[in-house]
Amino acid sequence: NAGVMQNPRHLVRRRGQEARLRCSPMKGHSHVYWYRQLPEEGLKFMVYLQKENIIDESGMPKERFSAEFPKEGPSILRIQQVVRGDSAAYFCASSPLRGGYGYTFGSGTRLTVV
Amino acid sequence: QQQVKQSPQSLIVQKGGIPIINCAYENTAFDYFPWYQQFPGKGPALLIAIRPDVSEKKEGRFTISFNKSAKQFSLHIMDSQPGDSATYFCAARSLQGAQKLVFGQGTRLTINP
Repeated sequence: NAGVMQNPRHLVRRRGQEARLRCSPMKGHSHVYWYRQLPEEGLKFMVYLQKENIIDESGMPKERFSAEFPKEGPSILRIQQVVRGDSAAYFCASSPLRGGYGYTFGSGTRLTVV
Repeated sequence: QQQVKQSPQSLIVQKGGIPIINCAYENTAFDYFPWYQQFPGKGPALLIAIRPDVSEKKEGRFTISFNKSAKQFSLHIMDSQPGDSATYFCAARSLQGAQKLVFGQGTRLTINP
């Protein structure tokens, strides 16, 4: 039973490019959460999705960031026109239930904007 | 207020010592308090968790102490080992809205041999 799979592990983008981060939840998990971790900081909630629905996007910056979790395929976090301040580790967690029980995190995508 | 405050930011302990990491919260709508362990380059992994109706929980060398009236909880690591060196995060689950986990700022723990 594979864990939460995130890819790519490392992503380098030039300022102004788009970054696409993918997250495949654990088998049987239909709840996906995205978090951002800045260097030397904790995990900041970004967005919570279920299949085909955004449930809570209160932590997402209003511009340039979007997320989806289609009926088929992985959840995608998209960052348009990246800036240096977007450099961070982005973690996805999945859960079989709503509400934080059984959160399993992926290994993250480390985004570097140059 | 959806915040969890964690201290200290970093901690160095000799092997065999008992590091203690503290967290405090204000929102009484939190109902589940997990601790996560993160090694460099890895995602956080669930270590141990507690509900507010229990004052203490032990799993192996790891113990959570919970003080509901003070809105504080702490992680103790007994007989610490160099392999315990990692970053530790406390978290709290909110009953409101999406019931997501809110994380503390993290504690970088180093256990010296």
